[in-house]
Amino acid sequence: KNEVEQSPQNLTAQEGEFITINCSYSVGISALHWLQQHPGGGIVSLFMLSSGKKKHGRLIATINIQEKHSSLHITASHPRDSAVYICAVYEDTGNQFYFGTGTSLTVIP
Amino acid sequence: NAGVMQNPRHLVRRRGQEARLRCSPMKGHSHVYWYRQLPEEGLKFMVYLQKENIIDESGMPKERFSAEFPKEGPSILRIQQVVRGDSAAYFCASSPFQGNLGDTQYFGPGTRLTVL
Repeated sequence: KNEVEQSPQNLTAQEGEFITINCSYSVGISALHWLQQHPGGGIVSLFMLSSGKKKHGRLIATINIQEKHSSLHITASHPRDSAVYICAVYEDTGNQFYFGTGTSLTVIP
Repeated sequence: NAGVMQNPRHLVRRRGQEARLRCSPMKGHSHVYWYRQLPEEGLKFMVYLQKENIIDESGMPKERFSAEFPKEGPSILRIQQVVRGDSAAYFCASSPFQGNLGDTQYFGPGTRLTVL
């Protein structure tokens, strides 16, 4: 059983669409991270959340601690958003990170 | 202000050789994390270090793998007697010392290890 589950696994969208990627987790956490891995392999940390909501440009991340769920939203999607988006949680009882398997997003012009 | 640096970016080793992967954290960061991404798989946590101290190595294979983060110099991930299954991308990330677990991490570009 995976501690972190992401959905969908693969997502294809038309340019301009609003996109939502979901992450559910089963452990108690002190923080949740959203990461972006580009086709070349490089990883960028998008957000770190412990509660509420954060916004950066066209990206919005929310977390519901009670429901153990987070969402990453992309507004007005663009082909350059095409990447794998990874949810990672930091367990609060140990210094342990758990990763989702990622959502592969393709935005078509 | 340089980001996290890893070298080499690509490393080829023959079975049985040793691989040394280096990670220089961002300036002022005293926490380093190592992750491994096997082909077609997700990221896996390996080890979390502070200067001169291993905090958590629960994700490290029990044999052949070791990590250090000395007082001076980069963090080193060392793999002895490499096998083909060690072929993967190894990512390092660093975070500033705030005494708060789960701080925002900054990732390096990764080292792609290929074992022939």
